[in-house]
Amino acid sequence: QPVLTQSSSASASLGSSVKLTCTLSSGHSYYIIAWHQQQPGRAPRYLMMLEDSGTYNKGSGAPDRFSGSSSGADRYLTISNLQSEDEADYYCETWDSNTRVFGGGTKLTVL
Amino acid sequence: QVTLRESGPALVKPTQTLTLTCTFSGFSLTTSGMCVNWIRQPPGKALEWLALIDWDDDKYYSTSLRTRLTISRDTSKNQVVLIMTNMDPVDTATYYCARGSSVTALDYWGQGTLVTVSS
Repeated sequence: QPVLTQSSSASASLGSSVKLTCTLSSGHSYYIIAWHQQQPGRAPRYLMMLEDSGTYNKGSGAPDRFSGSSSGADRYLTISNLQSEDEADYYCETWDSNTRVFGGGTKLTVL
Repeated sequence: QVTLRESGPALVKPTQTLTLTCTFSGFSLTTSGMCVNWIRQPPGKALEWLALIDWDDDKYYSTSLRTRLTISRDTSKNQVVLIMTNMDPVDTATYYCARGSSVTALDYWGQGTLVTVSS
């Protein structure tokens, strides 16, 4: 079963860009992951699926400012032109046929 | 339009059994590959996957909680039920249901229901 590792926190200034990282455990670098956003007091919201090739498919609600990329076991979520509403917790998720796994989440602060 | 909604008691006592219902619309759980998952989130903590039931009525559970969990479905009512036995204060959390499939992420989430375990 894969393990997903995320930094606990990140911060960036309003209008700038930030890149969040989710790292797959050894032997699982080819797994597809997903990014979810959880704004304060709200349910998680699906943002995108991201393959090891770097190809990503966004959900209908994900703003254009959100993009994904990959390098080896690392999966990235880049948010451009940061807005105040982007301040949230971001979780990565992966799965196989009979389980789901979440990372510990990254709390993003917009300065 | 896909929607999911969790329902159940807001408060349960220690040692009691919790029953949660996920009522969904906009998709069929009998569609090949489809599944409904339960996830929980203790206050201020990360998401934790609990269980899933799939289109073929196969059921899978978190290794750490499998002895306490039972998941079932009623396809005629578009509902998935999660039962958790022997509740403890550490089980206090917001419980979510979410749709997924064998090849996709959890792409739709319910709004969650907060369950507090206290005497």
